[in-house]
Amino acid sequence: GENVEQHPSTLSVQEGDSAVIKCTYSDSASNYFPWYKQELGKGPQLIIDIRSNVGEKKDQRIAVTLNKTAKHFSLHITETQPEDSAVYFCAAKDAGKSTFGDGTTLTVKP
Amino acid sequence: DAGVIQSPRHEVTEMGQEVTLRCKPISGHDYLFWYRQTMMRGLELLIYFNNNVPIDDSGMPEDRFSAKMPNASFSTLKIQPSEPRDSAVYFCASRRQGSQETQYFGPGTRLLVL
Repeated sequence: GENVEQHPSTLSVQEGDSAVIKCTYSDSASNYFPWYKQELGKGPQLIIDIRSNVGEKKDQRIAVTLNKTAKHFSLHITETQPEDSAVYFCAAKDAGKSTFGDGTTLTVKP
Repeated sequence: DAGVIQSPRHEVTEMGQEVTLRCKPISGHDYLFWYRQTMMRGLELLIYFNNNVPIDDSGMPEDRFSAKMPNASFSTLKIQPSEPRDSAVYFCASRRQGSQETQYFGPGTRLLVL
């Protein structure tokens, strides 16, 4: 089955700096890669996704890149703000289900 | 749309009691997923349904866990008997048919078994 590894497990940045979270996956059949943000006491919420026919996607301060050859994808957050502090999960999907990474706890210090 | 609805939001029970968690997926979604989240094990997929039929229950930890989806708008996850190690947050999620459709998560049920 699919295996997703996510790094780092914790990340602390200064407000205004950039943050990068990386994930690798094992199953070349995976074709959809969402990123979720989970705030304390809430369920994961989709923030951006990328499909296997696209190399990069951007939405305001958030961008995701995908390298299918190397089987890795990354989340980039620019101009970080304290409200970006949360746990971020990557996932890789093939067939019916998604496999999630272990999460990255991002702390943005004011 | 109201999103995925879960109830109860919090549940405290004693070891040995039966616990039933409920989920209403987003209308029109064909897939429903049950997850468990703990600090130690992260987010684990327990079981998922497609068109009300269980497709993969390999994540269900033991026979004490069971899940049903009697119709397209309702699913239950039952633990009987419950144990302290079942304490976790249980999420339900749903999505439409399609290989690249997004899952939407509910707010979760925080379960504490004493």
